[in-house]
Amino acid sequence: AAGVIQSPRHLIKEKRETATLKCYPIPRHDTVYWYQQGPGQDPQFLISFYEKMQSDKGSIPDRFSAQQFSDYHSELNMSSLELGDSALYFCASSLGRENTIYFGEGSWLTVV
Amino acid sequence: GQQVMQIPQYQHVQEGEDFTTYCNSSTTLSNIQWYKQRPGGHPVFLIQLVKSGEVKKQKRLTFQFGEAKKNSSLHITATQTTDVGTYFCAGPHGSSNTGKLIFGQGTTLQVKP
Repeated sequence: AAGVIQSPRHLIKEKRETATLKCYPIPRHDTVYWYQQGPGQDPQFLISFYEKMQSDKGSIPDRFSAQQFSDYHSELNMSSLELGDSALYFCASSLGRENTIYFGEGSWLTVV
Repeated sequence: GQQVMQIPQYQHVQEGEDFTTYCNSSTTLSNIQWYKQRPGGHPVFLIQLVKSGEVKKQKRLTFQFGEAKKNSSLHITATQTTDVGTYFCAGPHGSSNTGKLIFGQGTTLQVKP
């Protein structure tokens, strides 16, 4: 079965650079979520979209922005990267906002 | 703010022993979900509990949702090395239906063969 696809899987950036992560949800899923997971931490909710509109917002820095496109894929843009942004970024999707959430394999961002 | 707490943080068991992780929410939850994350992997959905007092089983895994819908537990009988990983409980944030989940800190299970 098709899963949530994230790219790139690994990314190394320098401080103050910009990074863009992409997410392709499971086909027909209309809701996309972004989570950030630091080493040894639990996933922290960043932002979500439902039917291409922002649905909820969590602890997402102002330097980050995201959107969901007409084909339901989503992109997380991170600017002015800081060392503390180094983490595993998960995208997840669901059919509707009250159904099972499926996670992608994550994108490892390392800021040096 | 809303919090979901999990204990213990780590658990080392001998293969064949049982394992239990406990999850407590500061607020009543409409449902609770459990995920397993293998080292270097991503959270994989295990189950969702919705009803007060609900008990669900998946082979050697038994999930319970408390009567007050504020706590939950996952019990694994006769652990195997394939059970290694971090088990997270997660609950919906607040009363909204945006799908946002608040995760517990997770319990990392190590199984010695």
